[in-house]
Amino acid sequence: SQQGEEDPQALSIQEGENATMNCSYKTSINNLQWYRQNSGRGLVHLILIRSNEREKHSGRLRVTLDTSKKSSSLLITASRAADTASYFCATSPMAGGYNKLIFGAGTRLAVHP
Amino acid sequence: ETGVTQTPRHLVMGMTNKKSLKCEQHLGHNAMYWYKQSAKKPLELMFVYSLEERVENNSVPSRFSPECPNSSHLFLHLHTLQPEDSALYLCASSQETVTGELFFGEGSRLTVL
Repeated sequence: SQQGEEDPQALSIQEGENATMNCSYKTSINNLQWYRQNSGRGLVHLILIRSNEREKHSGRLRVTLDTSKKSSSLLITASRAADTASYFCATSPMAGGYNKLIFGAGTRLAVHP
Repeated sequence: ETGVTQTPRHLVMGMTNKKSLKCEQHLGHNAMYWYKQSAKKPLELMFVYSLEERVENNSVPSRFSPECPNSSHLFLHLHTLQPEDSALYLCASSQETVTGELFFGEGSRLTVL
């Protein structure tokens, strides 16, 4: 069953602008992760935030997590054309004894020069 | 070689063919996964292997048959597929007891005629 749902489905911005993508989920989680996928390629892990964390930074990326609202956001600052890709959130449900990640449908980000 | 390698990258097969997808990880991980990515749908978890034992089978049709001979190799055997099985098949690995981060291969693009 689908756990994470991203919003918006597609986002088009100019270089230098910030891009914000949101993710909502349904069940209690161990952690939430964000991945990036260039067209037709594999997914690349960007950042992981644990359920007891509220904010995390990695370079131009900032992720927030609100477990009371079961939502997360990914902010990419000062975007570049090379950031054009699909971005997926993935949740690790609390139940289960192994690393089972459930992915959302993704946000397609287009950054125009 | 490093990371997760998938072969072949592209595969075209008829509905009566039998073929296999191969995945190899060089990261020393102990868990491996098959995901299916169809157009405009979230990634679907198909199979999970932990320490070479299958721990998840997400109601996948029997025409898909996984095999994990050791912790570094994972296969997906395909037979009598349907056109709707055309998709990008992604292999991933993780060290399940640590961060929960998945490392993906570049995928095998399957087209069923």
